[in-house]
Amino acid sequence: QVQLQESGPGLVKPSGTLSLTCAVSGGSISSGNYWSWVRQPPGKGLEWIGEINHRGSTNYNPSLKSRVTISIDNSKNQFSLNLNSVTAADTAVYYCARRPPYDGVGYYSFDYWGQGSLVTVSS
Amino acid sequence: QSALTQPASVSGSPGQSITLSCSGTSGDVGMYHYVSWYQHHPGKAPKLIIFDVSNRPSGVSDRFSGAKSGYTASLTISGLQADDEADYYCCSYTSSSAHWLFGGGTKLTVL
Repeated sequence: QVQLQESGPGLVKPSGTLSLTCAVSGGSISSGNYWSWVRQPPGKGLEWIGEINHRGSTNYNPSLKSRVTISIDNSKNQFSLNLNSVTAADTAVYYCARRPPYDGVGYYSFDYWGQGSLVTVSS
Repeated sequence: QSALTQPASVSGSPGQSITLSCSGTSGDVGMYHYVSWYQHHPGKAPKLIIFDVSNRPSGVSDRFSGAKSGYTASLTISGLQADDEADYYCCSYTSSSAHWLFGGGTKLTVL
């Protein structure tokens, strides 16, 4: 069973950089899947941030593209999110999630998720 | 890009059937057969329950079914159970810069 677990600081100062890591267990991060970050601000819905594949190819939400970097470490079986120049509007629960590979069933859906990591932007 | 539109809350009694809606546009729900639904119990990982409009992943109860008409997708839960009480989110692939849109979520209360 694939499991994803987010980790990182729970508090980030305004104008700083939010950094989170998602550790993948129960499967290889190099298996051809796509690895995403999704967030949920308090009281609001989900927002897709971006994704990366095992080759390091990325795709970002246009609304966040200028501030986001997603990277992957195949040797550690994990991928990471960096979001810079954060404001209070970036306070949210951040989830990592997996999409199946291109030739897999459910390619356009997210079949495994982490439990989420709350990040608060405050001084 | 605006989020997909879902009603904020829906309620039903055990054993009843309820339908949740998810409205989009010609660039997302209306264009693609790539609508998925997620069940989210607060504090837990979201769970995929429907993909590609009407397909259930292995292990998901057949009480959950999905459909789409025009720009609106729907999730029907039959034989409501107490454990169905959760937040439900729809998601669609969008042609706008090739990414994913989620809805604001519907809180289902089982009375």
